[in-house]
Amino acid sequence: AQRVTQPEKLLSVFKGAPVELKCNYSYSGSPELFWYVQYSRQRLQLLLRHISRESIKGFTADLNKGETSFHLKKPFAQEEDSAMYYCALRSQGNLIFGKGTKLSVKP
Amino acid sequence: GAGVSQSPSNKVTEKGKDVELRCDPISGHTALYWYRQSLGQGLEFLIYFQGNSAPDKSGLPSDRFSAERTGGSVSTLTIQRTQQEDSAVYLCASSTQGGANSPLHFGNGTRLTVT
Repeated sequence: AQRVTQPEKLLSVFKGAPVELKCNYSYSGSPELFWYVQYSRQRLQLLLRHISRESIKGFTADLNKGETSFHLKKPFAQEEDSAMYYCALRSQGNLIFGKGTKLSVKP
Repeated sequence: GAGVSQSPSNKVTEKGKDVELRCDPISGHTALYWYRQSLGQGLEFLIYFQGNSAPDKSGLPSDRFSAERTGGSVSTLTIQRTQQEDSAVYLCASSTQGGANSPLHFGNGTRLTVT
């Protein structure tokens, strides 16, 4: 069955520290993976997608098919990165989300 | 342009009453999704409409939940005989089509409270 797992409910780091939000998936086929972010009092929005191999706001995510992972990384966290982050997998047109990780960046 | 619009933004209802939640997708978007967001449960998929195809209802938690999409545009999510566990934020999203190049655009959600 298709599944997205985000093992950490909450991740707290200090400003300037590296951050890695973990995401593992289960999917039979070639996966399409995304990271969505929800800042306080804002709409859920796309952060990045694996197919673009892009860096957005300093974040990157590499698809590792061997480990079935799509971890989100940033070398130096900023306070404005504090938000709820969701990993998502596209399955037959639908988008399946993980339960999310709340990132808190302390000054 | 206008984004995805949901109404009402907040709804308080008594247990046992029926509620209707509305979603206006972005014009031209053929795909429409409903999700439920609650503490500890993350984003729970409910139903997905794509063009004129039969909707994917696999996420609806019970037969008290139903949704329709009229004219390929506006969608209504109906919850009958509401229960306290239905309390959550209901999110609607739309996209141009399925696929990695079609990100979902979310509305602000409807916060439903069942008393």
